[in-house]
Amino acid sequence: QKEVEQDPGPLSVPEGAIVSLNCTYSNSAFQYFMWYRQYSRKGPELLMYTYSSGNKEDGRFTAQVDKSSKYISLFIRDSQPSDSATYLCAQETSGSRLTFGEGTQLTVNP
Amino acid sequence: NAGVTQTPKFQVLKTGQSMTLQCAQDMNHNSMYWYRQDPGMGLRLIYYSASEGTTDKGEVPNGYNVSRLNKREFSLRLESAAPSQTSVYFCASSEGKDYGYTFGSGTRLTVV
Repeated sequence: QKEVEQDPGPLSVPEGAIVSLNCTYSNSAFQYFMWYRQYSRKGPELLMYTYSSGNKEDGRFTAQVDKSSKYISLFIRDSQPSDSATYLCAQETSGSRLTFGEGTQLTVNP
Repeated sequence: NAGVTQTPKFQVLKTGQSMTLQCAQDMNHNSMYWYRQDPGMGLRLIYYSASEGTTDKGEVPNGYNVSRLNKREFSLRLESAAPSQTSVYFCASSEGKDYGYTFGSGTRLTVV
């Protein structure tokens, strides 16, 4: 079993839709999670981070962690074509290492 | 704002050849990492360096060696390239625990 699992998609939505991206994790010892966005042929860039349970909001993006179900989510409101990218969830483990999910490819259609 | 710089951006190698992927960061970060990214596998950690002078194996270290030359530079060496090492390689750096990574733009390596 992978430590962090993510549905690879692809996911295609119309412009303006609310997007929900999800991951599950298996190791409850570490509670620091991050979301990265990766445009085609580019390196990943940090989008948001969140610690333990609860929500964190940044503009159109909301990151959510549910410890009881070991579920992490990223919501994108009013999605734009410029949001088209691959979204990677990650869990920080020992030694400041990050374990990544496979990534979900998102396309927002105008 | 250079951030993390990787060279080369593209490379084609023949099986058995060797090469070194270079990575340098200008953010004074202590920690540096090498990942490979493959379809269906995501990003997998090859080696990392928590601080200057230290290196440790990650999830997939076989066939690779690393050198933390100084605080800025962290190189990845393939001694005898194999087709299974065809991948996109990313270098990243971090200030440490609870900080995100800054990634380079990647090296696309093909081994034929």
